[in-house]
Amino acid sequence: GQQVQQSPASLVLQEGENAELQCNFSTSLNSMQWFYQRPGGSLVSLFYNPSGTKHSGRLTSTTVIKERRSSLHISSSQTTDSGTYLCALESYGSSGNKLIFGIGTLLSVKP
Amino acid sequence: EAAVTQSPRSKVAVTGGKVTLSCHQTNNHDYMYWYRQDTGHGLRLIHYSYVADSTEKGDIPDGYKASRPSQENFSLILELASLSQTAVYFCASSEGGARANERLFFGHGTKLSVL
Repeated sequence: GQQVQQSPASLVLQEGENAELQCNFSTSLNSMQWFYQRPGGSLVSLFYNPSGTKHSGRLTSTTVIKERRSSLHISSSQTTDSGTYLCALESYGSSGNKLIFGIGTLLSVKP
Repeated sequence: EAAVTQSPRSKVAVTGGKVTLSCHQTNNHDYMYWYRQDTGHGLRLIHYSYVADSTEKGDIPDGYKASRPSQENFSLILELASLSQTAVYFCASSEGGARANERLFFGHGTKLSVL
């Protein structure tokens, strides 16, 4: 089965509302990263967060290792937040580390 | 800011034809990656490289070859393109491997349609 599961699959907000995106993983966590994919397609790294809580502007990432989950909180959403949010789990392999991505949460913020 | 440039931005190929996707980074990063993204799937790793003239298989390498002629350049080659290879392809680079504190920098992607 899929090692990284994201929820919800999609989310529609009115501008100003908050959002909580979830990422659950079935394997042991080495590190977790969150990415934002613009509607045009390019990806931008938001957080590297193996544990605990990190803040960046209106974004907060919280990773709870024991519960094998990570969340991304977006406060006071703006239309420019629209896009896809991807989480990625770092996995150790025989030929090095790699990231295993979730399918993503598609966020649409309406004006 | 790190820069990863992919070319072409989009391409239409015929089944059985050869396709080469190019990636160039100006970050002086050791690691480079090729991912594909399909609807309903997350990004999946095809090939990666941590040094020039050497490449490693990722999770889904079948049907693809990779070439790293220099630190800056990393190509993905489809010798015999197939319909199932229609997808968006992303190149990325990082200073080290996918480990703690190593951010990945992505290109804008190449939309490949195989007809």
